Amino acid sequence: QKEVEQDPGPLSVPEGAIVSLNCTYSNSAFQYFMWYRQYSRKGPELLMYTYSSGNKEDGRFTAQVDKSSKYISLFIRDSQPSDSATYLCAMSDNNNDMRFGAGTRLTVKP
Amino acid sequence: GAGVSQSPSNKVTEKGKDVELRCDPISGHTALYWYRQSLGQGLEFLIYFQGNSAPDKSGLPSDRFSAERTGGSVSTLTIQRTQQEDSAVYLCASGVVFLNTQYFGPGTRLTVL
Repeated sequence: QKEVEQDPGPLSVPEGAIVSLNCTYSNSAFQYFMWYRQYSRKGPELLMYTYSSGNKEDGRFTAQVDKSSKYISLFIRDSQPSDSATYLCAMSDNNNDMRFGAGTRLTVKP
Repeated sequence: GAGVSQSPSNKVTEKGKDVELRCDPISGHTALYWYRQSLGQGLEFLIYFQGNSAPDKSGLPSDRFSAERTGGSVSTLTIQRTQQEDSAVYLCASGVVFLNTQYFGPGTRLTVL
């Protein structure tokens, strides 16, 4: 079993839909949770950063962390074609040992 | 401000040749990471530098792979006697350790013929 599980998709939604992306993990030592967005032929860019459990909102993006279930989510409201990318979850412990999910490929169709 | 830069952006080489990939981290970032990303795959950790500490080389797939970080800044990833299975995008990231975040460069796309 991988430490971080993420459905690779692909996921295709119409413009304006709410998108839900998820990851599960097995290591209870993870304290820091991140979502990266990666456009084709580009490096990943940090999108959301959360410490421990809870929600964090930034514009159309909301990150949720449920440490009791070892489950994290990224919600995208009013999705746009420009949101089409691969989304990678990442998490690390206090020793900065980071693990990435495989990434979910999202397409938002106009 | 300037982000992480990598060079070259693309590299095509013949099987058996050596290649060097360069990473310029964000100024002031003490942590530097190398990852490999194959088509449709997640990020595979290769090596981690933190300040003057001994690097964490636990992700290097074979002794053909090595990396250096000179002066706590620029890093070079060297692959000796390249094989076709080395073809991938090699990503470098830098970060500030206590923030537990990483900022990625655009990657070097390596193709071994």
